[in-house]
Amino acid sequence: QVQLVESGGGLVKPGGSLRLSCEASTFTFSDSYMTWIRQAPGKGLEWVSYMSSSGRSIYYADSVKGRFTISRDNAKKSLYLQMNSLRAEDTAVYYCASALPRYLDSWGQGTLVTVAS
Amino acid sequence: SYVLTQPPSVSVAPGQTARVTCGGDNIGGKSVHWYQQKPGQAPVLVVYDDTDRPSGIPERFSGSNSGNTATLTISRVEAGDEADYFCQVWDSNNDYVFGAGTKVTVL
Repeated sequence: QVQLVESGGGLVKPGGSLRLSCEASTFTFSDSYMTWIRQAPGKGLEWVSYMSSSGRSIYYADSVKGRFTISRDNAKKSLYLQMNSLRAEDTAVYYCASALPRYLDSWGQGTLVTVAS
Repeated sequence: SYVLTQPPSVSVAPGQTARVTCGGDNIGGKSVHWYQQKPGQAPVLVVYDDTDRPSGIPERFSGSNSGNTATLTISRVEAGDEADYFCQVWDSNNDYVFGAGTKVTVL
């Protein structure tokens, strides 16, 4: 099972940018499809983005398309989420999770992003 | 996009059986996955592909899926099962679609 640790969350003003990182502790990272999922305070789970193991297939939720960019560095066993033009409604705990690919078998502990002035 | 409907809450006495439903248009034709989330913690996969359990998940957790309803069944409920439960499918648009979640309360 993959162990995942997110970092990079924090407080940012509307319109600002933030880059999240997710580090895996297993050698199978390069074979893993990876996703970002977010959860607004007191709300449910929302899929944000997905990247195949090779990086050739990338998908985004409509709510973040054009503002967020997912990427990965298999040599560093790391997944990233560049978030630009942040809005108040992007406030959430962001989780990275490995995908198989229809379901999410391992999740990180999450990192909180707060967008407020 | 595809919509999954879950009841907001389910209450159950210890030792009894809890059933959490997940409704969707012809959901029986899709694979349904279930996650447990306790307060302040990340979700944990408890059932995948309708009926399978990851290693380490008790046999008390089981799933079924037919027609327009998928069901997560928790047998012999324990206090530690109190949590939010989310169903999920993988949509044809490569989206991960989640239900709104059901809070299971152990009385």
